[in-house]
Amino acid sequence: SAVISQKPSRDICQRGTSLTIQCQVDSQVTMMFWYRQQPGQSLTLIATANQGSEATYESGFVIDKFPISRPNLTFSTLTVSNMSPEDSSIYLCSVVPGVGGNQETQYFGPGTRLLVL
Amino acid sequence: DAKTTQPTSMDCAEGRAANLPCNHSTISGNEYVYWYRQIHSQGPQYIIHGLKNNETNEMASLIITEDRKSSTLILPHATLRDTAVYYCIVRPRGTYKYIFGTGTRLKVLA
Repeated sequence: SAVISQKPSRDICQRGTSLTIQCQVDSQVTMMFWYRQQPGQSLTLIATANQGSEATYESGFVIDKFPISRPNLTFSTLTVSNMSPEDSSIYLCSVVPGVGGNQETQYFGPGTRLLVL
Repeated sequence: DAKTTQPTSMDCAEGRAANLPCNHSTISGNEYVYWYRQIHSQGPQYIIHGLKNNETNEMASLIITEDRKSSTLILPHATLRDTAVYYCIVRPRGTYKYIFGTGTRLKVLA
């Protein structure tokens, strides 16, 4: 499976500020996704990060709040904009491997733990 | 909404088999069943998946009923490190969208 890293691993931020989370993969992947896991809850898909084009957002998530970039096949960023305490969550990226990998399965990064004060 | 239902929690004695059930009564013919687990709020770890046939790998076995409306994940010899939340997910073939349910919190007891 692909090796996925996320930066930062955790952060504490003030309300009204923005944080950009990075997801780096050690090999080219076909698809990348961003999820949110609120405290005590399950995972919710935010968007699909499309390489070279705008991300595809799920219902309830908008680009102005969660802008996403994916400049190449191994890297993506998620920005949490104008943060409020309700944005305190774990943010996770996931990938579907490219050629040579298990292309039927998503693999998840370690997550970024965000606390907004 | 998630297309699966799972018990909220289960206990299992260390060294015994852990059998985790999942109901997916509305599953359609082109949908896979996936199992992941999440330990201490780390990223979910892939365990196994299947379509119709039973599957086995180094981590677990997946038993899917003939009508495909339910499945069971079997950890043959549970250890304390298997304590985690286990998620059963149904994924349509041709998409990669996962809809996570609430999962089963498995506690392995010494």
